[in-house]
Amino acid sequence: GQQVMQIPQYQHVQEGEDFTTYCNSSTTLSNIQWYKQRPGGHPVFLIQLVKSGEVKKQKRLTFQFGEAKKNSSLHITATQTTDVGTYFCAVSGTYKYIFGTGTRLKVLA
Amino acid sequence: DGGITQSPKYLFRKEGQNVTLSCEQNLNHDAMYWYRQDPGQGLRLIYYSQIVNDFQKGDIAEGYSVSREKKESFPLTVTSAQKNPTAFYLCASSMGTSGSTDTQYFGPGTRLTVL
Repeated sequence: GQQVMQIPQYQHVQEGEDFTTYCNSSTTLSNIQWYKQRPGGHPVFLIQLVKSGEVKKQKRLTFQFGEAKKNSSLHITATQTTDVGTYFCAVSGTYKYIFGTGTRLKVLA
Repeated sequence: DGGITQSPKYLFRKEGQNVTLSCEQNLNHDAMYWYRQDPGQGLRLIYYSQIVNDFQKGDIAEGYSVSREKKESFPLTVTSAQKNPTAFYLCASSMGTSGSTDTQYFGPGTRLTVL
């Protein structure tokens, strides 16, 4: 079945440093969603990308969908301790979603 | 308050016992989902339902069962056939009208520990 690879698995950064996580698929995607899960919490929807080459921003977060619609990235500028958590990408199948393995971000103050 | 509720937050059971996890939503969503999350892992789909009285197996349905008798409720039973049931269980819902582009809303989860 369809698989989604997400890298890196873990990332420790010093507060103020940037952070990027990547999501890669072997097949062309119709769309991609990003979720954030705080430690001990549940995933919360961040954004959805649909168009080839699409770039969306939410404050310090920048989301990008690859031109070939096979990969996506989430970039956080100047991380803060509130950014701690696991970031998941999710791609859609027929009425269901396949989640990436996630990137766990730890921000050191 | 609109949202998804799961109860209980923590659940302990003895090996060999069936246990049912509750999931209720008042968002008027058609679609509901159950995921399993193991420590440091992603989410794996157990079962999903697009409409009342209908549901489909996900990637790891063995040892689990569900029902969808009401639109707002989608309980998950972890049976004794599930070989490694200790995990964090997440319920989610979505509008279900646009199929693959809906946003999923997650409940707070139930952490099940089998002793």
